[in-house]
Amino acid sequence: DAGVIQSPRHEVTEMGQEVTLRCKPISGHNSLFWYRQTMMRGLELLIYFNNNVPIDDSGMPEDRFSAKMPNASFSTLKIQPSEPRDSAVYFCASSLSFQEAFFGQGTRLTVV
Amino acid sequence: DQQVKQNSPSLSVQEGRISILNCDYTNSMFDYFLWYKKYPAEGPTFLISISSIKDKNEDGRFTVFLNKSAKHLSLHIVPSQPGDSAVYFCAALGRGVGGFKTIFGAGTRLFVKA
Repeated sequence: DAGVIQSPRHEVTEMGQEVTLRCKPISGHNSLFWYRQTMMRGLELLIYFNNNVPIDDSGMPEDRFSAKMPNASFSTLKIQPSEPRDSAVYFCASSLSFQEAFFGQGTRLTVV
Repeated sequence: DQQVKQNSPSLSVQEGRISILNCDYTNSMFDYFLWYKKYPAEGPTFLISISSIKDKNEDGRFTVFLNKSAKHLSLHIVPSQPGDSAVYFCAALGRGVGGFKTIFGAGTRLFVKA
């Protein structure tokens, strides 16, 4: 398995634009997580899915953020409209129930 | 409210010596505690874990200690090697509504000097 695949690796966009981050989890994993890495808070859990169903989105900072998982092999995190303070590295991770999570390489988002 | 705290943002250690990374948590309901290692431009990778019913788990140069009464865990690396230089994240795994979720600390950057 190629592991968790995220795209794009880097994204630079202008303030106000819509940004969509993509994730392909490891086949067979039933949990998917979106994290945001910041200097102050480390890895913040934004939202997680279990069997494609959003379970806890309490970490999503604002209504500008939304996430979907239309099937077991794909998830998106969308920011609309984007703001400079959204600049960070966004990680997707997947796991099999009560086991350690496997992370993708992350998407570095810069909003100018 | 941060449930998992790593109060030391960085640590510098001489090669061959012991590295001790610390972590505190607030929720006594966590079932597992994990340590992840992260190199620049890569995602975190799992390093070692410990069940909440144990107080020690060892894997080669890496040992994790859990003190439940103090809600504290630590990662010991001995001997430390330059290749261990990375950011180490402490994490706690517990039940959320409808599933399990992992909560991470802010990370500690370890520098191992040759």
